[in-house]
Amino acid sequence: DVKVTQSSRYLVKRTGEKVFLECVQDMDHENMFWYRQDPGLGLRLIYFSYDVKMKEKGDIPEGYSVSREKKERFSLILESASTNQTSMYLCASSPTGTGTDTQYFGPGTRLTVL
Amino acid sequence: AQKITQTQPGMFVQEKEAVTLDCTYDTSDPSYGLFWYKQPSSGEMIFLIYQGSYDQQNATEGRYSLNFQKARKSANLVISASQLGDSAMYFCAMRGNYGGSQGNLIFGKGTKLSVKP
Repeated sequence: DVKVTQSSRYLVKRTGEKVFLECVQDMDHENMFWYRQDPGLGLRLIYFSYDVKMKEKGDIPEGYSVSREKKERFSLILESASTNQTSMYLCASSPTGTGTDTQYFGPGTRLTVL
Repeated sequence: AQKITQTQPGMFVQEKEAVTLDCTYDTSDPSYGLFWYKQPSSGEMIFLIYQGSYDQQNATEGRYSLNFQKARKSANLVISASQLGDSAMYFCAMRGNYGGSQGNLIFGKGTKLSVKP
């Protein structure tokens, strides 16, 4: 079975802190994604990566950056956390992104910024 | 631009009855894929079913089936014989198969399904 793990289920940080959210997948998938989920807004794409060291902006990249130094690991970085970044963050991976390839999701990290 | 619309924020269904969750989409891509995911209260997103735009038949996976009406741009999820464990958020999503999207999914806002005993 595909497994996508995220470093924390719950995280509490202070405004202005630098925050790292880590995601690891064990199926050698090419593509990895970071989403943000807020009530009534569904999932919104922050960044994605289709190869090591490659990254592309999604719909809401402002205030975030990413890093993909190894194929299995995709990190989301909040350079200076703000209260409006309090949200659920979901990581996903997929093999190629075509045809019937679905995305496999991690359990999510619920981040609270005080 | 691609868009997914789920017009039902919340729905109730009696246990053992069937329920239909609505999803309409908008795309100019000639080839696309449609997905449904389930998100229980624990938070993980679970893939349920996939429909390709050129598939001749509606997709089925166990108690889940997809009522795909291409001309109407709708891809409704039908859950037969509802169970208490079906209570969750359900998301419809679409992927375009052209351009440089690299498999990005566009999600709707979701429908919260509650199954009553």
